[in-house]
Amino acid sequence: QSALTQPPSVSGSPGQSVTISCTGSSSDVGSYNRVSWYQQPPGTAPKLMIYEVSNRPSGVPGRFSGSKSGNTASLTISGLQAEDEGDYYCSSYTSSYTFVFGGGTKLTVL
Amino acid sequence: QLQLQESGPGLLKSSETLSLTCTVSGDSISRSTFYWGWIRQHPGMGLEWIGTMYYRGSTFYNPSLKSRVTISADTSKNEISLNLSSVTAADSAVYYCASAGSGGYYAFDPWGQGTLVIVSS
Repeated sequence: QSALTQPPSVSGSPGQSVTISCTGSSSDVGSYNRVSWYQQPPGTAPKLMIYEVSNRPSGVPGRFSGSKSGNTASLTISGLQAEDEGDYYCSSYTSSYTFVFGGGTKLTVL
Repeated sequence: QLQLQESGPGLLKSSETLSLTCTVSGDSISRSTFYWGWIRQHPGMGLEWIGTMYYRGSTFYNPSLKSRVTISADTSKNEISLNLSSVTAADSAVYYCASAGSGGYYAFDPWGQGTLVIVSS
């Protein structure tokens, strides 16, 4: 199975919005609303930020939102804050009952 | 609150079998709403899904690792285990265990802190 495609890096200034894309195929992202997003600050374990495309777990700020169109899912962070810096990964459940992750995107807050 | 903690040898030699344990606290691993996954991260790289085990014992593995991986559970100890045979330097990574089903069913939450495994030749 091939990894989902994410941009290597994105950046934005405090208060701005950034969007991270995650492109898969009709066998994963395009098949189900089973895309999740994880935040990983340096040296820490990943933390779930979005599940099932657009749902936020309790405790995740409303600045984080998710969406999907066709084979591409997106994570948008509005009102960017310095604490949002880190790596972001998307993941999708697949038609083969497996999971696949994206290559990761490094978010820099300027 | 569910908590996971990985443990195992930090250093292995090539061709040996890696055995890691994930100790779960806060709830029983036998609950039907949960299932369990192992994910690894090579140094400076992205996340790689290794495999998933459901509460009735069915397992699914990454096709690239399937011939070498076994995930199992010990309900008496509330532990999930990962065995990876015939390791090479390419298996050096941080290994995470994670739970799924407690929030979104197809999302891993929470994760353990991870354990670093180094394979020497």
